[in-house]
Amino acid sequence: SQQGEEDPQALSIQEGENATMNCSYKTSINNLQWYRQNSGRGLVHLILIRSNEREKHSGRLRVTLDTSKKSSSLLITASRAADTASYFCATAPYGNNRLAFGKGNQVVVIP
Amino acid sequence: DTEVTQTPKHLVMGMTNKKSLKCEQHMGHRAMYWYKQKAKKPPELMFVYSYEKLSINESVPSRFSPECPNSSLLNLHLHALQPEDSALYLCASSQDSGQRRPYYEQFFGPGTRLTVL
Repeated sequence: SQQGEEDPQALSIQEGENATMNCSYKTSINNLQWYRQNSGRGLVHLILIRSNEREKHSGRLRVTLDTSKKSSSLLITASRAADTASYFCATAPYGNNRLAFGKGNQVVVIP
Repeated sequence: DTEVTQTPKHLVMGMTNKKSLKCEQHMGHRAMYWYKQKAKKPPELMFVYSYEKLSINESVPSRFSPECPNSSLLNLHLHALQPEDSALYLCASSQDSGQRRPYYEQFFGPGTRLTVL
């Protein structure tokens, strides 16, 4: 069953602004991951947050995880045109390596 | 080398053709995956190989046949496909995760854009 489900809205922002997207899931997880996909290309892993972590940073990315609410958010600060892409969260359950991807958020950064 | 390569980049085939997609990684990863992705949708897991053995088959039709000849290579053999099978096929790899190990991120290839006529 599909675990991660982002809010379905697409984001269109000006360069330099921050972009926030959310993800919710339904069952227990080992960790939650965020991936970026540029149009028609492969996915690029951005960040992984484990179930016992609440917040994680990587460069301009900030991820939070609230296991009590079964939700996560991805914040991209000071966005750039190159950040234009689809962003997917993916949850990893305990016991197997079957990632479940959410629906994805389309982010457009206008120069 | 932290790259997953896939060939071909594009493939057009008829419903009676037999073709193969290829995937290769040299990161020493022991888990490899095939995903199918339709436009504006998330990737859908098809198969997982762990230590060259098929560990997960997500009820994929038999017209898709995976093969893992060695720890670096993963093939997907295609036969008698339908137009609805047209999609982006993504290969990925990761350090294997077992029940007692933490899960690892997956590294994706650029995909093969498949069109079935």
